[in-house]
Amino acid sequence: QKEVEQNSGPLSVPEGAIASLNCTYSDRGSQSFFWYRQYSGKSPELIMSIYSNGDKEDGRFTAQLNKASQYVSLLIRDSQPSDSATYLCAVMGSGNTPLVFGKGTRLSVIA
Amino acid sequence: GAVVSQHPSWVICKSGTSVKIECRSLDFQATTMFWYRQFPKQSLMLMATSNEGSKATYEQGVEKDKFLINHASLTLSTLTVTSAHPEDSSFYICSDTKQGWEQYFGPGTRLTVT
Repeated sequence: QKEVEQNSGPLSVPEGAIASLNCTYSDRGSQSFFWYRQYSGKSPELIMSIYSNGDKEDGRFTAQLNKASQYVSLLIRDSQPSDSATYLCAVMGSGNTPLVFGKGTRLSVIA
Repeated sequence: GAVVSQHPSWVICKSGTSVKIECRSLDFQATTMFWYRQFPKQSLMLMATSNEGSKATYEQGVEKDKFLINHASLTLSTLTVTSAHPEDSSFYICSDTKQGWEQYFGPGTRLTVT
C-alpha cells in the first residue's frame, strides 16, 4: 500500500515568517513529487513539482527532495495571509500513474 | 499549466436520479484523465482512471455500475452518478495529465443529493 504522510496541522505562522511543510512517502520507487495548494471549497492547484534530489525554487516557494530519506518538503518564505490554505503532498510512481495524496497540512498565516 | 473545465460547477438532485458531470481538457489532448471525490475536511480519493477509447479503471471499493465513466474523445471525459443517494453528496474533481507527469485539476463539481 503506497502511503503519503503529512502532519495535518494546523500550522500557524506569523506573516512574513517561513512556513515549513513536510511529507514522507512509503514507495521507494516513486519518481515524481508535487505540492498542491487547496483553498477551502476549491479544487487543488499545482504550485511545485520536483523530480530529483535537492532544492527547487520558484518565487517564494522552495521544494526539497531527499529520496534516500523518502522525504519531501515545501518552504514558503515571507508567508502572507493569502497563503492560508491546505497544502497537499502528492507522489507518483513511474509513467502516467495516478497520484497518491497525503491528507494535507492546513496552514494559517496570522497577520 | 493545463486548463481543465468541469460542468456543472454545482448540482442539486433528488435521490434516485442520475447526474452527469463533464470534464474537458481545453489546451491539449488528454488520453488519460482521473476522477476524484472529496468529502468535507478529507483528502482527495481517487475513484477511477479514465482512458480515451477504452474502459475506465476503477479503484477498489468504487462501484463501476454506479459511477459510469465515458472518455469518448481526447478532450472530454464524463462521470455519471447513477441512482444518486445522499451519501453520494460530495465534491467531484477531475484532472488531466500534461506530458504524463503533472496533473492539473478542474474546478470541481459540488453534488448535493436530497
